[in-house]
Amino acid sequence: AQTVTQSQPEMSVQEAETVTLSCTYDTSESDYYLFWYKQPPSRQMILVIRQEAYKQQNATENRFSVNFQKAAKSFSLKISDSQLGDAAMYFCAYRSASNAGNMLTFGGGTRLMVKP
Amino acid sequence: DSGVTQTPKHLITATGQRVTLRCSPRSGDLSVYWYQQSLDQGLQFLIQYYNGEERAKGNILERFSAQQFPDLHSELNLSSLELGDSALYFCASSVGRSSYGYTFGSGTRLTVV
Repeated sequence: AQTVTQSQPEMSVQEAETVTLSCTYDTSESDYYLFWYKQPPSRQMILVIRQEAYKQQNATENRFSVNFQKAAKSFSLKISDSQLGDAAMYFCAYRSASNAGNMLTFGGGTRLMVKP
Repeated sequence: DSGVTQTPKHLITATGQRVTLRCSPRSGDLSVYWYQQSLDQGLQFLIQYYNGEERAKGNILERFSAQQFPDLHSELNLSSLELGDSALYFCASSVGRSSYGYTFGSGTRLTVV
């Protein structure tokens, strides 16, 4: 079974600075998808960014980018120019590309605090 | 509004009782997933339905059951409730085997007292 590990329970960043959240995963599959979700105090789950394992190019969405290292099974999220609204729980998630069901496997989350 | 509707938003009930959580997926989505999030923890996959049929099962307790109806809405039934069942229950939907992640509802907060 696949597992996703987020080793940083909490992180803090100064407003306008850059922060990187770590995620590692364990899988024997070669084709899969990786995601970062944001959960603000409202508890809504919001998709931040996604990465297909077959793509070498790292995904970017505005201030959010990932560093995908397939061999190392690492998928970190970089938030640039941090804003107060970025404060939230961030979850890394894995999904297999196989036919055995396409549920998401989540990591335990990282709480990000943004200091003004 | 994400397009995935979950009702009720909050539910308080006593131990031993049974409750039903409802989810209406986003228009056009055939897959429905149920997840459980205990306090300040990650989301645990419970069960998936695709076009009315069970597709995948996670660590769902035998006291819990779900179904997806012909109009594609889904219900999660929780019975013989225990204090430890208190959690946020999310429903998510996708078109099918989508690579774009899922659309989550806003969740149902269940408190068992």
